[in-house]
Amino acid sequence: DAGITQSPRYKITETGRQVTLMCHQTWSHSYMFWYRQDLGHGLRLIYYSAAADITDKGEVPDGYVVSRSKTENFPLTLESATRSQTSVYFCASSESGTGDEQYFGPGTRLTVT
Amino acid sequence: AQSVTQPDIHITVSEGASLELRCNYSYGATPYLFWYVQSPGQGLQLLLKYFSGDTLVQGIKGFEAEFKRSQSSFNLRKPSVHWSDAAEYFCAVGEGWGKLQFGAGTQVVVTP
Repeated sequence: DAGITQSPRYKITETGRQVTLMCHQTWSHSYMFWYRQDLGHGLRLIYYSAAADITDKGEVPDGYVVSRSKTENFPLTLESATRSQTSVYFCASSESGTGDEQYFGPGTRLTVT
Repeated sequence: AQSVTQPDIHITVSEGASLELRCNYSYGATPYLFWYVQSPGQGLQLLLKYFSGDTLVQGIKGFEAEFKRSQSSFNLRKPSVHWSDAAEYFCAVGEGWGKLQFGAGTQVVVTP
């Protein structure tokens, strides 16, 4: 499918488990982003990547790990899930840097029990 | 550090009435400003953006926004709301490396 996809769309996991959220884009966009959306906070940036093998922390990176070995993929891993990481996670991509439109995936709703 | 404030958490508007959503930002230079819309259960879609030039920006779905430097505002407007405009709206300011700083969002409810 063309565009940006996320998997799984819904996930329930237990506290302490490792979980990986997948993000795939077909445009060969250089920039990719991970956000979490929580009521009253809007979207907060977790990690971003300017190119393959270039990643950096955003506003709320603690407890998360990312990698980007290929331009089209940008997985987000929760190393040891906590209840506070229950959220909706959005992946986004943009062709270039500052000022460019970001294209968002449909989101992954993660529940940590 | 820059910030984005959307003072209205929730707005109810009648179908056919006008809509204005407020956005205030804190940023040292002329910012890149965006409005995104999120329909229920969906990702975000860009409505419009402002970088420079004409301070009145036209977007998709009949929306427009006006940049006012003196008020540090970038308010979104639509002259006549349709039921399909019920959604959550986010204002955002662009940072370096393509990052976006989002406001907390305004939920718009449209009544018949």
